[in-house]
Amino acid sequence: DAKTTQPNSMESNEEEPVHLPCNHSTISGTDYIHWYRQLPSQGPEYVIHGLTSNVNNRMASLAIAEDRKSSTLILHRATLRDAAVYYCILHGRGGSNYKLTFGKGTLLTVNP
Amino acid sequence: DAMVIQNPRYQVTQFGKPVTLSCSQTLNHNVMYWYQQKSSQAPKLLFHYYDKDFNNEADTPDNFQSRRPNTSFCFLDIRSPGLGDAAMYLCATSRAWGSFSRQPQHFGDGTRLSIL
Repeated sequence: DAKTTQPNSMESNEEEPVHLPCNHSTISGTDYIHWYRQLPSQGPEYVIHGLTSNVNNRMASLAIAEDRKSSTLILHRATLRDAAVYYCILHGRGGSNYKLTFGKGTLLTVNP
Repeated sequence: DAMVIQNPRYQVTQFGKPVTLSCSQTLNHNVMYWYQQKSSQAPKLLFHYYDKDFNNEADTPDNFQSRRPNTSFCFLDIRSPGLGDAAMYLCATSRAWGSFSRQPQHFGDGTRLSIL
């Protein structure tokens, strides 16, 4: 699986937007970009995914660079409940396409 | 709400004493996964079931086995737990139609296993 690079940690203030970056310079043309988050003492939770175009859902937006070598997860108004580890994962169509390979993720702290 | 349920949330067992963790789902997904997450680490896939077909990851120890008696239930058996097996065990499900790479996985809240 192609690798992703994320900052170890980020901090935000409540009710402000948060932009979580992810670099994936070795992404292949068929890799989807998935984001999951894991709140303390809970299982990972699917957030959003995309291939080439920007995506929006009720939880977040995903902005994908034109060359697809990086992406940004956008939380429009952070709340305390958004404090979690955010994982950016490339999910491809190769032989191991059934599995998610988690990296270290970004620990997001939200200040009141 | 349809969901993935893991029982119990916390399990304590003794060194070497077999233990079984359970997972049930109401999503009617045909793929079920077991992940291991050790403290301060990312989840790591142990194995998965595609319908009734069992698929083991190459580096999963033989000590770990799984059973899936029907679509809704899946069990993780640890035959002889060692201290290094203390971890959070996460069950997940997904649909397998089209490409896996488009299908999100739905996780339970995990069972935290402690070994005495």
